[in-house]
Amino acid sequence: GDSVTQMEGPVTLSEEAFLTINCTYTATGYPSLFWYVQYPGEGLQLLLKATKADDKGSNKGFEATYRKETTSFHLEKGSVQVSDSAVYFCVVRRFGNEKLTFGTGTRLTIIP
Amino acid sequence: DTGVSQDPRHKITKRGQNVTFRCDPISEHNRLYWYRQTLGQGPEFLTYFQNEAQLEKSRLLSDRFSAERPKGSFSTLEIQRTEQGDSAMYLCASSLRGPSSGNTIYFGEGSWLTVV
Repeated sequence: GDSVTQMEGPVTLSEEAFLTINCTYTATGYPSLFWYVQYPGEGLQLLLKATKADDKGSNKGFEATYRKETTSFHLEKGSVQVSDSAVYFCVVRRFGNEKLTFGTGTRLTIIP
Repeated sequence: DTGVSQDPRHKITKRGQNVTFRCDPISEHNRLYWYRQTLGQGPEFLTYFQNEAQLEKSRLLSDRFSAERPKGSFSTLEIQRTEQGDSAMYLCASSLRGPSSGNTIYFGEGSWLTVV
């Protein structure tokens, strides 16, 4: 079946540091890829998505590029803020399937 | 647009009791999903509805679990004869059509279940 492997946390960074959270996936065909974020006390929110190879999803300064050759979708941000502290989930969805398959999540804490 | 709402937000129950969770999706969203999330893990798919029809069920959904969406609007998830292993957060989500059509899935804040 489909699976997602993402960098284990927790990750602690200082404000304005560069962020990378690694994510690799296993899925047949041409899946869509997502990053979801869960802020403290809130529900899961879609952060960004990419639906085909070499697509770059971006939102709120975060970016991730769909790399089919390495089956990866790493999340990056050039300068993190305290408000970025949250749990980040890498997610894959097989084409034509309604089910989302989540990674285990990476807890990110940004210190001032 | 008031978002996906779930009730109750927290439930503590004794082993062997039945519990029911309710989900109200975003208005006019015809797809509704249930996921389960345990501590330190990502959400796992349980089932989804298109309108009132339940179209897919995960093997995680044992015979003790039943989900309904009788009028194609709100949904309920019932767990009978709860076990300690059922302790988890139960997430509901909805979308206008489905992610396969490009539409975003919106999640509620979840219902925490603790079985003691």
